[in-house]
Amino acid sequence: KAGVTQTPRYLIKTRGQQVTLSCSPISGHRSVSWYQQTPGQGLQFLFEYFSETQRNKGNFPGRFSGRQFSNSRSEMNVSTLELGDSALYLCASSLSGGSNQPQHFGDGTRLSIL
Amino acid sequence: AQKVTQAQTEISVVEKEDVTLDCVYETRDTTYYLFWYKQPPSGELVFLIRRNSFDEQNEISGRYSWNFQKSTSSFNFTITASQVVDSAVYFCALTANQAGTALIFGKGTTLSVSS
Repeated sequence: KAGVTQTPRYLIKTRGQQVTLSCSPISGHRSVSWYQQTPGQGLQFLFEYFSETQRNKGNFPGRFSGRQFSNSRSEMNVSTLELGDSALYLCASSLSGGSNQPQHFGDGTRLSIL
Repeated sequence: AQKVTQAQTEISVVEKEDVTLDCVYETRDTTYYLFWYKQPPSGELVFLIRRNSFDEQNEISGRYSWNFQKSTSSFNFTITASQVVDSAVYFCALTANQAGTALIFGKGTTLSVSS
């Protein structure tokens, strides 16, 4: 069974640009969550999507947005990139997103802002 | 507010030593779930275990064991007879009703096992 797939693995952008990251969940999983990992702040929750709707959102500015498609694939967009957005972005999927369900993570997209 | 504290930033052991990774959590919810994840250098977070707040039974899986104690709000993880392949960053995490489905992670403990 294929795991969570994130593309691309690495990305280099400059300040002010925007970026889109992609995540394909495990087959049959309908909930997709996004996390940001930085050395200073650790792992922080960005948002969760279920049935194409954002169901939960973390404490991040509006520059961070996402969406989910009918096949449960999800994209995350960051606009007007800042140096502080350099991070590993991890996507996780679960069957239906209940708080009791383990979330299964992809390898992440490492975003570097120059 | 929900919070997870992993006081040990880094631990170094020699192969075959036992090692315990500490995790202390805070939540006002009566129903919550605790998790441990392993992050090898490749970056992927690997799910290890889930425990719900109503189940205080300890669990053993091979060389891994977990000790959940509500009285001290702790969910500690022990690796018996550690191996080099156990080297990774280990994260303890919490979900609770107030935070919805969001995993609240500790800062992680970096375990280095040398041969």
